[in-house]
Formats: sequence, C-alpha cells, structure tokens
Amino acid sequence: DVKVTQSSRYLVKRTGEKVFLECVQDMDHENMFWYRQDPGLGLRLIYFSYDVKMKEKGDIPEGYSVSREKKERFSLILESASTNQTSMYLCASSPPQGRSGYTFGSGTRLTVV
Amino acid sequence: SQELEQSPQSLIVQEGKNLTINCTSSKTLYGLYWYKQKYGEGLIFLMMLQKGGEEKSHEKITAKLDEKKQQSSLHITASQPSHAGIYLCGASTGTASKLTFGTGTRLQVTL
Repeated sequence: DVKVTQSSRYLVKRTGEKVFLECVQDMDHENMFWYRQDPGLGLRLIYFSYDVKMKEKGDIPEGYSVSREKKERFSLILESASTNQTSMYLCASSPPQGRSGYTFGSGTRLTVV
Repeated sequence: SQELEQSPQSLIVQEGKNLTINCTSSKTLYGLYWYKQKYGEGLIFLMMLQKGGEEKSHEKITAKLDEKKQQSSLHITASQPSHAGIYLCGASTGTASKLTFGTGTRLQVTL
C-alpha cells in the first residue's frame, strides 16, 4: 500500500527550539507539500517542492524552512519554534499536475509550550 | 488568490438520510478534489473532478462539478455512521500542482 509517512504523530517542544518534521513517500512522486491545519482556517500551504533541491513558498512560509535532498523525503524546519506554530502539520505528495490525487500523511500534532 | 467556500460548516443528520455539501470557487477550477478526514488524522482522497459537468460516484458518495467549473457538490445517499468526519474540497486553478482548500464541513451521523 502506497504511503506518505510522517515521523511523529505528536510532538511537544519548547519555545525557541529548532524543530524538524520529517515526511517520506514511497510513490516516487515529484511533488511534495507541507500544510498546517488550524480550526476555522482550514489547510494552509507552507512550502512545496516540485523536485529534489527545489522549493517554493506557499501562502504562509514565515518562520519555516524546508529541505529536499532526496526525492522521497521532504523536511519542514521551524528555526525557532513559537507558540503560534502550535498546529496540526500535514505532508502530502502527488505526481505532476496532481494526476490521481494527492496522498496525505497522518499528520503531526505539534504543541509549542 | 484562489478562495474556496464550503457550506454548510457543520451538519448533523440522522442515519439513512441524504445530504449535500457544497464547494464554491471565486475562480474557474482546473481540478477539484474531495477529501475526508477523521478527527486528528490525515486526509483520505475521495474523488477528483476536472471537466465541466463531470460526475463521479464511489459507493454512496457522488461528486459533481458544474459546467462553469466554479462549483462542486458532494452528495451522500443513505448516510451511515462511517460517513462521519470532516469533508474538505481542494482545488487548483492551473497546471501548477498546489492545492487550496476550503475550511471543511464537519458531518455527524446520529443513530
């Protein structure tokens, strides 16, 4: 069964910590995405990548960075975590132009205290 | 930027009843995707629509995209408790792959 795997379901971090959220897909997809989901705001795109070492800003990139050194792995980095980054983070992957849909991971619920 | 509006925001239906969720775009859609999410979990892909007037069904769920490609509906026939969750529409407005999502519709199915 094809999968997008996020390394942690739950994380608790302290303000100011550097946080890494990892996402791995086994479908050989070119595109990978990071979203955050908050009540009343829906899913908002943070960053996406169309290829290895390529990245593009989404709608809310401030406070985040990403890394894609290998096709199957897309990492989201919170350089200095803040309480307003407490959220559900969802990773997704897709083939070019979204054919056959986008596959999502199970999500990481991050709490910054 | 692309905005998607979903209605209703929440819905409580009795088991066995039919229901419809709507998704409206301010722009012409290149692709429209429906997802279901169980509370606290990831999104499960349901259906993708691309052509004006297109309709797809899977089990008791039917999705339609209007001719102008600005509105989609998701219809559930004879709802069951297993249909409960959050339904999200996502859309792209061009060949670029990134999706914009609506805020979701929370569905509860009572016995």
